[in-house]
Amino acid sequence: QQQVKQSPQSLIVQKGGISIINCAYENTAFDYFPWYQQFPGKGPALLIAIRPDVSEKKEGRFTISFNKSAKQFSLHIMDSQPGDSATYFCAARYYGGATNKLIFGTGTLLAVQP
Amino acid sequence: AAGVIQSPRHLIKEKRETATLKCYPIPRHDTVYWYQQGPGQDPQFLISFYEKMQSDKGSIPDRFSAQQFSDYHSELNMSSLELGDSALYFCASSARGLAGGGDEQYFGPGTRLTVT
Repeated sequence: QQQVKQSPQSLIVQKGGISIINCAYENTAFDYFPWYQQFPGKGPALLIAIRPDVSEKKEGRFTISFNKSAKQFSLHIMDSQPGDSATYFCAARYYGGATNKLIFGTGTLLAVQP
Repeated sequence: AAGVIQSPRHLIKEKRETATLKCYPIPRHDTVYWYQQGPGQDPQFLISFYEKMQSDKGSIPDRFSAQQFSDYHSELNMSSLELGDSALYFCASSARGLAGGGDEQYFGPGTRLTVT
């Protein structure tokens, strides 16, 4: 059972457009929500992250919107560029005792067309 | 800035052989995590260590073991390799116990293991 559900599976956006990726979770024990960008054959790179006590966080062209009551969060990429073409994973950290493990969504393959 | 180092980057083994993957965390990071990523899949948590003690265990086969050493580097030992073990193996590190340390986990470049 996928604990973090991510959509869409793939996304095509024109250069300069806005890319929006959505995630949802059920477990209220999650307390930290990062987004990672991964290029083929490379390790996931941390993009931006948010805690549930904040509704929005912006870093450059990347914004996370967080809806605690709906248990949903999303990544917005403004002014999308061809170099943004990659797979994006949302994740949630399960906080319980000694663990800090990340639970990942299934990923979104983003293609930004020039 | 220094990043997580993993070695080797590529490894080819035959079925039933053993493999050892190494991870060197970012300096001053005290926590190491191992994840496995199959083709087209999301990373799956295997095991983690905090201050050289195992802190959590995920879907790691009994054929696998890991440890964290006094210099904080970690090794993932894999025995009786199976074709299904072919995957990317990532190590991540964080500064969990340090004052002002964050929640962030930083991933290494990964080791691509191919079992033939």
